[in-house]
Amino acid sequence: GAVVSQHPSWVICKSGTSVKIECRSLDFQATTMFWYRQFPKQSLMLMATSNEGSKATYEQGVEKDKFLINHASLTLSTLTVTSAHPEDSSFYICSGTPGLAGSNEQFFGPGTRLTVL
Amino acid sequence: GQNIDQPTEMTATEGAIVQINCTYQTSGFNGLFWYQQHAGEAPTFLSYNVLDGLEEKGRFSSFLSRSKGYSYLLLKELQMKDSASYLCAVKDSNYQLIWGAGTKLIIKP
Repeated sequence: GAVVSQHPSWVICKSGTSVKIECRSLDFQATTMFWYRQFPKQSLMLMATSNEGSKATYEQGVEKDKFLINHASLTLSTLTVTSAHPEDSSFYICSGTPGLAGSNEQFFGPGTRLTVL
Repeated sequence: GQNIDQPTEMTATEGAIVQINCTYQTSGFNGLFWYQQHAGEAPTFLSYNVLDGLEEKGRFSSFLSRSKGYSYLLLKELQMKDSASYLCAVKDSNYQLIWGAGTKLIIKP
């Protein structure tokens, strides 16, 4: 199947700093990419949907000025957590679909574990 | 509202069979997915159903009844490595994935 990579796999930062997470589709062009957050023992929570070359669509309750998403190319999307706080500590997972949102399968990256001290 | 229900936790014995149920109420339906997620890892795709019936893939099978808003994932010949969370997700009329909370499956020797 298609491969999605994320970098870094884990990061520890101080409160107030910004952290950038990269999501790359390695062997397909991801027209649409999704960013999820998952807290311990909870299910995936969709944060935003981004299409290459356009602004991301954020889910209700997700601050777009805090979680900056850039989908500059068909193989790269970035999530920047600005002015991170301890409550932002979570497992962040991206996924991509080869076609439009109607495609059948999302391919997930391995996730990034963020710990904010 | 949209809702996906699945049991929180199940326990089964190595070598046995287990069925994980999922019921859904969504605005529209464009397919149902099952994903496996090991602790601390991202989900991996298991199956996709869009028509009624049973889809078999090795030790795993997935069933769908659209009229009942119901699906199940059947795991046969359970192995210890099958211990994981199993996530049910439905694509709604906007092709957005609605996720269940997941079922934690514990396999005992």
